[in-house]
Amino acid sequence: EDQVTQSPEALRLQEGESSSLNCSYTVSGLRGLFWYRQDPGKGPEFLFTLYSAGEEKEKERLKATLTKKESFLHITAPKPEDSATYLCAVAGGSYIPTFGRGTSLIVHP
Amino acid sequence: SAVISQKPSRDICQRGTSLTIQCQVDSQVTMMFWYRQQPGQSLTLIATANQGSEATYESGFVIDKFPISRPNLTFSTLTVSNMSPEDSSIYLCSVEDTSGGLNEQYFGPGTRLTVT
Repeated sequence: EDQVTQSPEALRLQEGESSSLNCSYTVSGLRGLFWYRQDPGKGPEFLFTLYSAGEEKEKERLKATLTKKESFLHITAPKPEDSATYLCAVAGGSYIPTFGRGTSLIVHP
Repeated sequence: SAVISQKPSRDICQRGTSLTIQCQVDSQVTMMFWYRQQPGQSLTLIATANQGSEATYESGFVIDKFPISRPNLTFSTLTVSNMSPEDSSIYLCSVEDTSGGLNEQYFGPGTRLTVT
């Protein structure tokens, strides 16, 4: 059974204070790892797909990396508008992604 | 990516009643998915809906409780039947985008259901 554990559950940062969110996973035959952003009252918004260990992707202040056991979402010099819940999901042999519980990020001005 | 809308956006319902949630996509898609997101929990897949066939339900979810329709390639409904307070949750519709090679999922805005 695929499993995804995200840490920390909640993270408070000051504007400009860089940090990383962690997504640890176990999956039988990784086909893809996904990162989503979810704002309150809205559906998850797709950010990245990572396919293999060593792969990195960037989008504005966000950078996602992948190893064989975990993924990191690095946030560089965050702004208050980066405040959201960040969800990680993995897809293995079943193709249906398994989601983690998310990390709630608050960036204070 | 596909643009997905859901109706209603929120509702408050009495226990024992049923609510039908609609999901509309702006392009034709093969597979549509229904998820539930309870407070503090991860997204849980309820079922996969393909046009022209019965929906496939995940463990713990049954058709009598969550009947699904998929009349065409752009529309689906999920009904939450005989509701109880435990059904209070956010219900999300999603679709796959296969253009990137792997099946990335895109989500609608969700329906926030409160059962009293």
